[in-house]
Amino acid sequence: EVYLVESGGGLVQPGGSLRLSCAASGFTFSDYWMSWVRQAPGKGLECVANINRDGSEKYYVDSVKGRFTISRDNAKNSLSLQVNSLRAEDTALYYCARGGYRRFDSWGQGALVTVSS
Amino acid sequence: DIQMTQSPSSLSASVGDRVTITCQASQDIRNCLNWYQQQPGKAPKLLIYDASDLQTGVPSRFSGSGSGTHFSFTISSLQSEDIATYYCQQCHNYPLTFGGGTKVDIK
Repeated sequence: EVYLVESGGGLVQPGGSLRLSCAASGFTFSDYWMSWVRQAPGKGLECVANINRDGSEKYYVDSVKGRFTISRDNAKNSLSLQVNSLRAEDTALYYCARGGYRRFDSWGQGALVTVSS
Repeated sequence: DIQMTQSPSSLSASVGDRVTITCQASQDIRNCLNWYQQQPGKAPKLLIYDASDLQTGVPSRFSGSGSGTHFSFTISSLQSEDIATYYCQQCHNYPLTFGGGTKVDIK
């Protein structure tokens, strides 16, 4: 069974930084694209970043370009999202999702990031 | 970016009813369209991929159709456990984008 477990969320002041992590198990991590998808409270889904299988291709939604960095460690079956220069509008539940080349076929339970002073 | 427009934004239907949701893309996305179900308090779940292919383990009452810019998603006989918000998502171009969601509840 596929398991994706996010960690690293929390309360941060505007302008601050966090590093989100996703521990993957139950599948061959290096065979899959991976992504981060966020959901603001009471709102819809937004894909913020995707990374290909070896980390050589990365895509970001315009609103996070230059502030967020997606990375992966295939030896550790781990996905990360470094989030810098946080804004109130970045407040959301951040999901780690398997896929991102075409579809997201497995999801974690999410890590909550709250940006507030 | 490709904009995805879902309608309606919400609906109420009775158990056993046929429910249809539509999704329109701002440009031709061929068949690169997926549908997700998000039950209250849970992570999304993939139901349909490539417009009409049923994800493994998903009940056959769920189906999808369409190509180009117009797509539809149907629940043939609504069940109480289908209470959820449903999202379409295009996979034709980056950034991958979602529709605004359709909240389905029981009348």
